[in-house]
Amino acid sequence: SQQGEEDPQALSIQEGENATMNCSYKTSINNLQWYRQNSGRGLVHLILIRSNEREKHSGRLRVTLDTSKKSSSLLITASRAADTASYFCATVRGSNYKLTFGKGTLLTVNP
Amino acid sequence: EPEVTQTPSHQVTQMGQEVILRCVPISNHLYFYWYRQILGQKVEFLVSFYNNEISEKSEIFDDQFSVERPDGSNFTLKIRSTKLEDSAMYFCASSGGLAAQETQYFGPGTRLLVL
Repeated sequence: SQQGEEDPQALSIQEGENATMNCSYKTSINNLQWYRQNSGRGLVHLILIRSNEREKHSGRLRVTLDTSKKSSSLLITASRAADTASYFCATVRGSNYKLTFGKGTLLTVNP
Repeated sequence: EPEVTQTPSHQVTQMGQEVILRCVPISNHLYFYWYRQILGQKVEFLVSFYNNEISEKSEIFDDQFSVERPDGSNFTLKIRSTKLEDSAMYFCASSGGLAAQETQYFGPGTRLLVL
């Protein structure tokens, strides 16, 4: 089964607006992590939320986790052109070692 | 801030050749990983490594792949006989603990092109 399916696939907003990206998964998880990837570059870790947590904040980022719906959302407030990137959710199941990534949301913030 | 580094940043090789991708994980981390991302596709897990042995591997990680931690700092991925379909971005990652509990930090990647 596929884990970590993000939507929308692409999102285009104006600078200053908020951006919300969603992630759904199919099996129970231990934690869920969000990463950012600038075009053709490495993956930058943004935030980790554990299965017993419902919400976490880090700067302009807010992540929620609803384990009953098997979904998570990433909110970026007051977006900037520099936030333009692909955003991926990745899940960890049980005591496994691996991250299972979704296909990502391409966010474009227009100045 | 400590970071994962990878060399080379780009590698072009002929089909059938061996390649070694190198990584220097964050110094006090204990768990090491390789992932790959074929252009336009998802990031895929290849292998994890702990206590000098493979702890988990995917079906992609067949006999053509091997990993090694030859000294206290480097972590390498070897592809013995490259195929066209091995062309991808390869990411190394490390974490201080099990992925189940800890953040994985990724390197900038090595872009491998097999001709």
